[in-house]
Amino acid sequence: GESVGLHLPTLSVQEGDNSIINCAYSNSASDYFIWYKQESGKGPQFIIDIRSNMDKRQGQRVTVLLNKTVKHLSLQIAATQPGDSAVYFCAELAGGYQKVTFGTGTKLQVIP
Amino acid sequence: KAGVTQTPRYLIKTRGQQVTLSCSPISGHRSVSWYQQTPGQGLQFLFEYFSETQRNKGNFPGRFSGRQFSNSRSEMNVSTLELGDSALYLCASSAGGTMNTEAFFGQGTRLTVV
Repeated sequence: GESVGLHLPTLSVQEGDNSIINCAYSNSASDYFIWYKQESGKGPQFIIDIRSNMDKRQGQRVTVLLNKTVKHLSLQIAATQPGDSAVYFCAELAGGYQKVTFGTGTKLQVIP
Repeated sequence: KAGVTQTPRYLIKTRGQQVTLSCSPISGHRSVSWYQQTPGQGLQFLFEYFSETQRNKGNFPGRFSGRQFSNSRSEMNVSTLELGDSALYLCASSAGGTMNTEAFFGQGTRLTVV
């Protein structure tokens, strides 16, 4: 039969506002987490990473928060710009990059 | 520094045929991973090679295979293509080793099976 397409949750944000994208991960043994950005027609692009011995890491305009208690990861983008429009997804790794699991992704739409 | 290069960018094949995709990693990177991305399943790990050895494999049938050459370039082969193999195939390279390191993705090969 015909497969059902993956429905990506969409977050619409006004330009200049802050965006928060969430990800629930599944493996309590995961020790490394990465956020990727994927624009239409392009491969995923690394944004920021965090190891399990940290709960917060900041980059340029982006912050990743890790809550191991509830297995939750979030990506905060400050002063969202139209160029931030893309699909964002998290990846969890346990024991090396060869054992990576990706989240389904969230589509971010920035309204000018 | 050149990024990860995948060839070809687009490919149309007939059901039952086989296909070979190529990935040239960033210079100096020894690890190459392959992924399948579809609207229905999202991004799924196929396998990873490091120094010409397959280190880990995802949950894909044996029709999906790969190899890595001494210059770290990698190829992925899919035999007896099925309609469901239509997808964007991505490879990523990293320095590798035993520690988790940042991986860089290519733009992918869009495979359509008809």
